[in-house]
Amino acid sequence: EDQVTQSPEALRLQEGESSSLNCSYTVSGLRGLFWYRQDPGKGPEFLFTLYSAGEEKEKERLKATLTKKESFLHITAPKPEDSATYLCAVQDYKLSFGAGTTVTVRA
Amino acid sequence: DTGVSQDPRHKITKRGQNVTFRCDPISEHNRLYWYRQTLGQGPEFLTYFQNEAQLEKSRLLSDRFSAERPKGSFSTLEIQRTEQGDSAMYLCASSSGMTGGSSTDTQYFGPGTRLTVL
Repeated sequence: EDQVTQSPEALRLQEGESSSLNCSYTVSGLRGLFWYRQDPGKGPEFLFTLYSAGEEKEKERLKATLTKKESFLHITAPKPEDSATYLCAVQDYKLSFGAGTTVTVRA
Repeated sequence: DTGVSQDPRHKITKRGQNVTFRCDPISEHNRLYWYRQTLGQGPEFLTYFQNEAQLEKSRLLSDRFSAERPKGSFSTLEIQRTEQGDSAMYLCASSSGMTGGSSTDTQYFGPGTRLTVL
């Protein structure tokens, strides 16, 4: 069974303080690793898909990277509007999610 | 707005009552998924449809739960004889079903239906 573990559970950052979120996974065959952003009371919003080790993708202040066993989401110079829960998931036909990392960015 | 929509957004019910949720996927998306999310956890898969066919059901989906997707368009999720443990956010997602090579089968989520069972 696919397993996804995210760390840390929560991250409090000062505006401009860069940091990274970790997603460790165990799958029988990786068809895709997904990152989503979720704001309170809303559905997950798609950010990135990564397919193979070494792949990187960027969007504004976010950069996702992938190795054979884990993925990182780097947040560079975060702003308060980056505050959210970031979810990582691996795909078979369904998505198997981690519990998420809740990021709070203080001005 | 061409995103996934869900109705209602919030539902409060008493234990033992039946509830039904609706999901309208992105038009022309062949696949539709239902997930359940409780506080502090990631979404958990419940079931999915390829067009009108229900292809997979999680063991989380007890006999009290039933889902349909008539005509391969919108879907409904019904919970019979609700229990307090059913309180959660119910999320619907859809995807085009295209896979292979560099193509993605990205799932796009709706806003969810928050169920509270008293």
